[in-house]
Amino acid sequence: DAGVTQSPTHLIKTRGQQVTLRCSPKSGHDTVSWYQQALGQGPQFIFQYYEEEERQRGNFPDRFSGHQFPNYSSELNVNALLLGDSALYLCASSWRGGFSSYNEQFFGPGTRLTVL
Amino acid sequence: TQLLEQSPQFLSIQEGENLTVYCNSSSVFSSLQWYRQEPGEGPVLLVTVVTGGEVKKLKRLTFQFGDARKDSSLHITAAQPGDTGLYLCAGEANNAGNMLTFGGGTRLMVKP
Repeated sequence: DAGVTQSPTHLIKTRGQQVTLRCSPKSGHDTVSWYQQALGQGPQFIFQYYEEEERQRGNFPDRFSGHQFPNYSSELNVNALLLGDSALYLCASSWRGGFSSYNEQFFGPGTRLTVL
Repeated sequence: TQLLEQSPQFLSIQEGENLTVYCNSSSVFSSLQWYRQEPGEGPVLLVTVVTGGEVKKLKRLTFQFGDARKDSSLHITAAQPGDTGLYLCAGEANNAGNMLTFGGGTRLMVKP
């Protein structure tokens, strides 16, 4: 059973460029959340996708956008890159269905983005 | 805005010592999760606590959720070098739909 996978592993871009990161959720999961983790800090919630729609959004500008495909995989796009966008971008998947009051999230290994 | 404060930020101890990491907030969480993260990897879930006052044990690790569901602690007994890593607490607010609020993390180093 494959866990959450992300690609690419590492990425180097220059200021002003655009980047697309990809995530495949754990088998059986239908919800994908994206987090940004700056060096030495805890992850910050960017947004969450369920049923191909953005359901929740953290305090991130519109330069950050995403998409979820019918197979539940997801992309994170960042436009007009800034130096401060350099971080580890984490994807987490979970199953939104059921009657549980919480649904555990499983994280991928992340994509390390460096903006020069 | 919900915030989770973790303390201490850094901890360097000798093998065999005990330690406690704290996670505090002024907000109520419906669940609280503890993760461990290795360099260059994603966080790995250790435990989820959902009931106020709940205590869960995972080998030498003991997790506690505060009665008011605003705080949590992680206690490690007889720490080993393999426990070295970044420990993160993350809370899910009521009706947050899986959105997790993370603490800043506690970086633990256990020296042999």
